[in-house]
Amino acid sequence: EEQLLESGGGLVRPGGSLRLSCAGSGLTLSSFVMSWVRQAPGKGLEWIATISGAGGTAFYADSLKGRFTISRGSDGNIVFLQMNSLRADDTAVYYCARVQTWDYFNLWGQGTLVTVSS
Amino acid sequence: EIVLTQSPATLSLSPGERATLSCRASQSISSKLAWYQQRPGQAPRLVIYDASNRATGIPARFSGSGSEADFTLTISSLEPEDFAVYFCQQRLGWPLTFGGGTKVEIK
Repeated sequence: EEQLLESGGGLVRPGGSLRLSCAGSGLTLSSFVMSWVRQAPGKGLEWIATISGAGGTAFYADSLKGRFTISRGSDGNIVFLQMNSLRADDTAVYYCARVQTWDYFNLWGQGTLVTVSS
Repeated sequence: EIVLTQSPATLSLSPGERATLSCRASQSISSKLAWYQQRPGQAPRLVIYDASNRATGIPARFSGSGSEADFTLTISSLEPEDFAVYFCQQRLGWPLTFGGGTKVEIK
């Protein structure tokens, strides 16, 4: 069974940094375009970033560009989200998702909760 | 940025009834629209892509229609597991955007 497993969430103070990881089980992430999507408590979905299979191309939500960076691990089976200068409104569940031909999210992880609070 | 507006915000129906959900785009997006289902405490799941194609494993009671700027997700006869929140998402251009969601609740 194909699965995505996020990790790295937790409590962080405003202004701090956190790096989230997404690992694949039953699939090789380097074969796919991958994204991060977040969901604030009780709110809707917000796309964060998308990276190509080879890692050479990435797109970001304008509101997060410069603070968040998506990347791939050298082993090909991990995708990262580096988050800097975190604010209270970054508090959310962060999902890793596989992207179907740069279009749609056809496999999601279970999510990891990031709480930004002093 | 393409804005997606979903209506209604909440749909109260009984099992066996037909559900009709709407998603309207702020500009034409051709057929580049998907629908996702999110049950409480779970990650979203792709239901429909390219406006009318069912994703793998999605039952035939789910159907999508529409093009340009007006789209509809129809659930022909609600099963207990269909009560959830549904989001639409466009893929015409960057940034990718989602609608605010429609909650289908048990009446």
